[in-house]
Amino acid sequence: GEDVEQSLFLSVREGDSSVINCTYTDSSSTYLYWYKQEPGAGLQLLTYIFSNMDMKQDQRLTVLLNKKDKHLSLRIADTQTGDSAIYFCAETLYNQGGKLIFGQGTELSVKP
Amino acid sequence: DSGVTQTPKHLITATGQRVTLRCSPRSGDLSVYWYQQSLDQGLQFLIQYYNGEERAKGNILERFSAQQFPDLHSELNLSSLELGDSALYFCASSSGDRSYEQYFGPGTRLTVT
Repeated sequence: GEDVEQSLFLSVREGDSSVINCTYTDSSSTYLYWYKQEPGAGLQLLTYIFSNMDMKQDQRLTVLLNKKDKHLSLRIADTQTGDSAIYFCAETLYNQGGKLIFGQGTELSVKP
Repeated sequence: DSGVTQTPKHLITATGQRVTLRCSPRSGDLSVYWYQQSLDQGLQFLIQYYNGEERAKGNILERFSAQQFPDLHSELNLSSLELGDSALYFCASSSGDRSYEQYFGPGTRLTVT
């Protein structure tokens, strides 16, 4: 079935690294995504990875994909207070158009 | 700013009423997607249009309908509104019908009283 799971909360200190985890169940995932939502705002596309890749790095963001365990993670290096937001993991599936299937979101709190 | 616009920002209406939410995609994008975000259901895909044609359908209620016009803007119509329809409704757009980059608008917050 289509299921994307995330832990609900993460708290880190400013300057530390944050790691947000996500698991998915459907093996026909084509792309996996990370979106950021700040209070009262829409969703901002942060990064995405094709399902046959293991890793993608984009400035402070590193995405790791373990296809065998169906596990996706987002590492934010040198986390800042401006990174406080809700982070959503999402996937698209083969043969389902552009439909995004989202996890519940992880609320990241960065303390000074 | 993603380049996707949605109107109105906020909408307050009564049960049983009908509303229309509007979305303009980014310039050049042919696909429009509608999503609903609520506290109990999270973010749910409703429907996708590509160049005027319905491309994919999710958990969209029969009371809800959408269309995409020749100028590529889209409207989501919600009728016989219930309290449970109160949510944030997002529109997103992408260039193709399976594009891996979807850009979201700021959303319309619907409150049904």
